[in-house]
Amino acid sequence: AQTVTQSQPEMSVQEAETVTLSCTYDTSESNYYLFWYKQPPSRQMILVIRQEAYKQQNATENRFSVNFQKAAKSFSLKISDSQLGDTAMYFCAFMKLSGTYKYIFGTGTRLKVLA
Amino acid sequence: DAMVIQNPRYQVTQFGKPVTLSCSQTLNHNVMYWYQQKSSQAPKLLFHYYDKDFNNEADTPDNFQSRRPNTSFCFLDIRSPGLGDAAMYLCATSTQDRADIYSNQPQHFGDGTRLSIL
Repeated sequence: AQTVTQSQPEMSVQEAETVTLSCTYDTSESNYYLFWYKQPPSRQMILVIRQEAYKQQNATENRFSVNFQKAAKSFSLKISDSQLGDTAMYFCAFMKLSGTYKYIFGTGTRLKVLA
Repeated sequence: DAMVIQNPRYQVTQFGKPVTLSCSQTLNHNVMYWYQQKSSQAPKLLFHYYDKDFNNEADTPDNFQSRRPNTSFCFLDIRSPGLGDAAMYLCATSTQDRADIYSNQPQHFGDGTRLSIL
């Protein structure tokens, strides 16, 4: 069975600064995806960034980038130039690429960006 | 725009009184999912439909049922809600087309229905 662990329940960062959210996972699968989702208060889940396990290059999307360490089963999210709109719950998620595509979510990190 | 729509956004029911939450989609996706998300917790998958095939997660209580009368609609029925069932319920859809998974987001989420139990 797969598990996803986010060890930081809450974090805060000053506006314009950089913050890194941690995620580790456990799986015996070789073919899978990893994701970071953002959930603002009372708002929809939004996909922030994804990483295919077979790709060694770390994914980047504008101010968001990941540090994917496959051997260590680690998948951290770096947010650069933090903005007030980044305030949200962030969930790390695992999806294996076999069978029906189902997510396994971590417990989330509540990020607050301070003005 | 194509989307996943959940109605209502907020639902209040009484302890033990059956309640139904609805989800519709215009994406024509063949898989529909129901998640339960309690306050400050991760979404927990309850079950999903792959076309008409119902797939229950092993730890989903019997109190939770689902119906999918057609591709577009999926319902979550809670037969006898308890106080512990107060949560946000999220519906999501996906295609099983791997090319679409690669190019798009794997699951499309609705805004959720927040269920309160009195």
